Amino acid sequence: EIVLTQSPDSQSVTPKEKVTITCRASQSVGSNLHWYQQKPDQSPKLLIKYGSQSISGVPSRFSGSGSGTDFTLTIDSLEAEDVATYYCHQGSNLPFTFGQGTRLEMK
Amino acid sequence: QVQLQESGPGLVKPSETLSLTCTVSGGPIRDYYWNWIRQPPGKGLEWIAYISYRGTTYYNPSLKGRVAASVDTSKNQFSLELTSVTAADAAVYYCARAGYSPYESFDFWGQGATVAVSA
Repeated sequence: EIVLTQSPDSQSVTPKEKVTITCRASQSVGSNLHWYQQKPDQSPKLLIKYGSQSISGVPSRFSGSGSGTDFTLTIDSLEAEDVATYYCHQGSNLPFTFGQGTRLEMK
Repeated sequence: QVQLQESGPGLVKPSETLSLTCTVSGGPIRDYYWNWIRQPPGKGLEWIAYISYRGTTYYNPSLKGRVAASVDTSKNQFSLELTSVTAADAAVYYCARAGYSPYESFDFWGQGATVAVSA
C-alpha cells in the first residue's frame, strides 16, 4: 500500500497569505495524485487532479505541482473561505489511499 | 449536474451488517466507476471499495473480506455491505464517482451518511 504523508498537519493562516501544502508518496505514483478540500460538515471537493490539472469552478488561486513522489498544493492569497482540511489522494495503485490531511485554521 | 445521495440505517448493532445505498441522479451510472469512502469521527479519509456499472469490484484488503458492493443499473444505484461491524466501523460513509477508469480522481461526492455502531 502506498502511504501518503502530508505536511504540515495543521497551520495557522492569515488572509492574503500564500500557503503551501506538500504530499509525499512512499513510492512513485506518476502524476496520479489529486487534491481535495473538505470544509467542516461537508463532503470533500475535488480541487486539482493529476498533480496540476485545474478543475472547472475552482478559483485560480489554487494550483498544484509535482510528479513521482513529491507534490505541492499552493493557495495564492488565501481567503477566509479557504479555511478547511486538505487531502491528497493517489489513484495509481490499489488500494487507493489518502494523506492524513492538513488543517488550515485562521489566526 | 450529477448528484449522489447515500441512504441507510444510521445505527447498527455490533456484529451485525451495515448496509448503505447510493442513488445517482443527473447522469448515468453506466460507463463510470463508483466508490465508497469513509471517515471516522475527527479522522481522515479511508477508501473502501470501487464497483463498475458492470459489477467489477475491488475492495480494500484492510477490511479483511467483510465488505461487498453491488450495483443496480436499472435503479441507478449501487450499494455497500459491511459485515461483523465493530465500534471501529463507526464513520461517515461517502459514495463518490471516479471516471471511465477506476484510477481517476473522485469528481462527485455524496453528502455522506453517518453510521453509529452501538448495542
